[in-house]
Amino acid sequence: KAGVTQTPRYLIKTRGQQVTLSCSPISGHRSVSWYQQTPGQGLQFLFEYFSETQRNKGNFPGRFSGRQFSNSRSEMNVSTLELGDSALYLCASSAGWGLAGEPYKNTGELFFGEGSRLTVL
Amino acid sequence: GENVEQHPSTLSVQEGDSAVIKCTYSDSASNYFPWYKQELGKRPQLIIDIRSNVGEKKDQRIAVTLNKTAKHFSLHITETQPEDSAVYFCAATLSGGYQKVTFGTGTKLQVIP
Repeated sequence: KAGVTQTPRYLIKTRGQQVTLSCSPISGHRSVSWYQQTPGQGLQFLFEYFSETQRNKGNFPGRFSGRQFSNSRSEMNVSTLELGDSALYLCASSAGWGLAGEPYKNTGELFFGEGSRLTVL
Repeated sequence: GENVEQHPSTLSVQEGDSAVIKCTYSDSASNYFPWYKQELGKRPQLIIDIRSNVGEKKDQRIAVTLNKTAKHFSLHITETQPEDSAVYFCAATLSGGYQKVTFGTGTKLQVIP
């Protein structure tokens, strides 16, 4: 199985611009989560999508948004970039815990992509 | 919401010694506690996990313990090797629910040959 693929791997933007990052999950995985990784802050949860629905959102401003397509691919968008948005953005896919009655393997393991490193100048 | 604290932030040990990383969580509803390892320039990967109905779990040289009452869980690495050098993240979440995993801030482990 192919792993989680994120594009682009590196990008440089200037303040005020916007950026869109893409994530292709492992085939069959319907849950896609996004995390921001910065030195000293660890991995901070941005949001999670399952079957095109955002199920949960972290404590980030509305400039951070996302969506998921019918093929489970996900994108996140950051508008009006600020210097503090410079970070590694990691996407993780999971088979998910599943809803009640759904036959998903209850593992909960997150499979991460290699990340998109965003630098805001 | 859930809050996970992780200590220490950096840890240096001699090869062959043991390493211990400790985490505390705040939400008593959390019942699944994974540990991820991130080598330099690579993606985080799950190395071991524990559920709240278990007090300890071992996998070769690594083990995790959980104290639900105190809301503490720890990662133990024995007979450390240079390839154990990495950043380790503990995490807590509620299994069966939305996939929102709260991570600690990470521990950079350096194993000195």
